[in-house]
Amino acid sequence: NAGVMQNPRHLVRRRGQEARLRCSPMKGHSHVYWYRQLPEEGLKFMVYLQKENIIDESGMPKERFSAEFPKEGPSILRIQQVVRGDSAAYFCASSPSRQSNQPQHFGDGTRLSIL
Amino acid sequence: AQRVTQPEKLLSVFKGAPVELKCNYSYSGSPELFWYVQYSRQRLQLLLRHISRESIKGFTADLNKGETSFHLKKPFAQEEDSAMYYCALTPGSNYQLIWGAGTKLIIKP
Repeated sequence: NAGVMQNPRHLVRRRGQEARLRCSPMKGHSHVYWYRQLPEEGLKFMVYLQKENIIDESGMPKERFSAEFPKEGPSILRIQQVVRGDSAAYFCASSPSRQSNQPQHFGDGTRLSIL
Repeated sequence: AQRVTQPEKLLSVFKGAPVELKCNYSYSGSPELFWYVQYSRQRLQLLLRHISRESIKGFTADLNKGETSFHLKKPFAQEEDSAMYYCALTPGSNYQLIWGAGTKLIIKP
């Protein structure tokens, strides 16, 4: 089991471009969480998805950010018209259920840099 | 407001010395507390959680509800303990993890 796989590891975009970050959960996990980590700060929850459903997107910025977790394929975090402030590390985690006794397993993260 | 505070950005101790990484939280209910660790060039991984009451790699953490703290301790630090340590809480049965800013632990030989 390769664990949670995120790609790319590093992504460079110019202001105004789109960024797509992918996350494949661990085998058998159907719950995916996205977190953002700004420099010198802790991780901040963005969105929680189950297959084909967004359960909680309370941490997502209202504009430009969207997430999906289709029936087939990885979860995608999409950022449109990126700005410098979007530069951060984006982490994906997965779990087999939403119960708190099921720890979340993390990917290596995607470092997004905006020029 | 729910918040996790790790007051030390950096903690440096000598090998063999005791280690204590501080974590304080703000939450009115009954949270579940975790410590995650990230070793150099590795991904974030769960170290321990308070409900398990276990010792992992010699580390322990006790939830002190009176002081709203969940400090991570190890009596004798080892060089391989050098890493970033994050304290996190989840409110009750909620899935959402609320994170501290992390403490970088450096163990000097």
